[in-house]
Amino acid sequence: GQNIDQPTEMTATEGAIVQINCTYQTSGFNGLFWYQQHAGEAPTFLSYNVLDGLEEKGRFSSFLSRSKGYSYLLLKELQMKDSASYLCAVKDSNYQLIWGAGTKLIIKP
Amino acid sequence: GAVVSQHPSWVICKSGTSVKIECRSLDFQATTMFWYRQFPKQSLMLMATSNEGSKATYEQGVEKDKFLINHASLTLSTLTVTSAHPEDSSFYICSAEPPGQGNQPQHFGDGTRLSIL
Repeated sequence: GQNIDQPTEMTATEGAIVQINCTYQTSGFNGLFWYQQHAGEAPTFLSYNVLDGLEEKGRFSSFLSRSKGYSYLLLKELQMKDSASYLCAVKDSNYQLIWGAGTKLIIKP
Repeated sequence: GAVVSQHPSWVICKSGTSVKIECRSLDFQATTMFWYRQFPKQSLMLMATSNEGSKATYEQGVEKDKFLINHASLTLSTLTVTSAHPEDSSFYICSAEPPGQGNQPQHFGDGTRLSIL
């Protein structure tokens, strides 16, 4: 079957750096997406990786290793507003999006 | 760009009522839209894939006669929850994917919070 694993919950301190990992086993691969979802709101798109390596967007970066079936989302200079759930999703060979359960990130002052 | 509008944001109604939720892609044409449901503190669950001009594809366990989907144009899909009951109370979210090589992200509407009394 198809599976995406990410930690259920993580805690970090304001101003620090946090890395949220995602591992996947899917039938084919056509890209990996990271989304942010604040409580009670819809998800918003953060980043996309299809080739190995690091994609940087301001305070957020996303890394992909296709051979390892692994990605991470790196958040720098954490702010209280970064408290949210972070969802990893992979497009399989049929371009169907497979979702992880999400990682709830708690930022403490 | 890539804005998706969903309406209404909140619905509170009596058991047995049918509720229609609209999802519109405002600045792109979407041949495919997606409907999700999310219960409190749970994961996003895909209910169905809405295909313009054809029948929706429902995920296993989702009753197609209860959750009617219509995708009559390239910018509008609707989800109707028929004869809603309290157990249908949830957060319903639609998304649409801009046309491309399959590398486009899904963009989400703001969601509809449905409460059935």
